[in-house]
Amino acid sequence: GAGVSQSPRYKVAKRGQDVALRCDPISGHVSLFWYQQALGQGPEFLTYFQNEAQLDKSGLPSDRFFAERPEGSVSTLKIQRTQQEDSAVYLCASSLWGDPGTYYEQYFGPGTRLTVT
Amino acid sequence: LAKTTQPISMDSYEGQEVNITCSHNNIATNDYITWYQQFPSQGPRFIIQGYKTKVTNEVASLFIPADRKSSTLSLPRVSLSDTAVYYCLVGDRYYGGSQGNLIFGKGTKLSVKP
Repeated sequence: GAGVSQSPRYKVAKRGQDVALRCDPISGHVSLFWYQQALGQGPEFLTYFQNEAQLDKSGLPSDRFFAERPEGSVSTLKIQRTQQEDSAVYLCASSLWGDPGTYYEQYFGPGTRLTVT
Repeated sequence: LAKTTQPISMDSYEGQEVNITCSHNNIATNDYITWYQQFPSQGPRFIIQGYKTKVTNEVASLFIPADRKSSTLSLPRVSLSDTAVYYCLVGDRYYGGSQGNLIFGKGTKLSVKP
């Protein structure tokens, strides 16, 4: 079946521009995560949704970062007034959710590589 | 979460067995050890999880000694396509599942040469 998809795969933005990154999770997956991965580093958590509710946004680095999932499926990560330090790969992951005693694996998308010039 | 330490990089040749060791001295009683694999230009993917002794699946084996202060991911007869970054993570049984976010280190970059 289809996995997690992300678009665009590559994005070049000039400093100060706003960008929007899209994530299409696996159908039926309740949980959705965004991660940021700088070059040579492991992914770092940004935010977490359960359906349309944003339950954790503790990893968002500044108020220029905003994420939404209005209908509980597709999610968009928006970065306003991009800065060079925002250059990174942005990964989306989704998982099932239900029984708190069951482990539901996170499935990652290929990521969007953002380059801010 | 227990801190983990693993080599930054490793080189190998096709057909060899590769063993990547991860140290986790402060592992808690309820913690499991999970390994993720990340190919270039892809997101990480779960490859194996274990609590103690040995776990084997179609991709890899995971060896965990009795004191659980370290673990070794073993990849049999690697090929060029096994070139990837391998991350060792330690947390409770549900760590990184639907209930919470994953915390990755820098991982071990494995380069397989012909």
